[in-house]
Amino acid sequence: EPEVTQTPSHQVTQMGQEVILRCVPISNHLYFYWYRQILGQKVEFLVSFYNNEISEKSEIFDDQFSVERPDGSNFTLKIRSTKLEDSAMYFCASSERGHENTEAFFGQGTRLTVV
Amino acid sequence: SQKIEQNSEALNIQEGKTATLTCNYTNYSPAYLQWYRQDPGRGPVFLLLIRENEKEKRKERLKVTFDTTLKQSLFHITASQPADSATYLCALEEGRRALTFGSGTRLQVQP
Repeated sequence: EPEVTQTPSHQVTQMGQEVILRCVPISNHLYFYWYRQILGQKVEFLVSFYNNEISEKSEIFDDQFSVERPDGSNFTLKIRSTKLEDSAMYFCASSERGHENTEAFFGQGTRLTVV
Repeated sequence: SQKIEQNSEALNIQEGKTATLTCNYTNYSPAYLQWYRQDPGRGPVFLLLIRENEKEKRKERLKVTFDTTLKQSLFHITASQPADSATYLCALEEGRRALTFGSGTRLQVQP
């Protein structure tokens, strides 16, 4: 069964460092998302991406964050200068059509720890 | 933005019984609502999507209802099994390309 894969599964980084979280969405999907979940809290929307551009973003997704689809398979989330409060599980998701039409498939997440 | 309320207390039931989980929202009625399952340390797994013009949706042992007057969705698991133990998340549309998730209800099915 096709799945969304994320690497690494766990990343520890120093405050102020840049991190890149990687995702390989399901191959025929057109919509890509990043969500995050701080330990013990809700899953929160960060950004959605379609047709090679951001289609929506939340207040969390400030100038420190960026997304890219550098080639036909990868979808990355970059945090330029990490803060302690960026520590969370980051989930990538993809869907064939938008959330309003079909299910989203989530990856297993990258646990980011900022020290 | 939407506010979603799910019962934050864990729901403990006996195997074979029906589990009923509640999702209440407070703002505008969404065009659709989704339910996900999340196991500890894992990503959410999609279960069902129901649209505002649908009163009920079923999939195997799962049933979802959507009452836009009460601003509520109910999620039922019939003939529950210990393997159904997980956290169940309600999610609503927030704009065309985003979901707002509730905090989830943890279900524990006792053998």
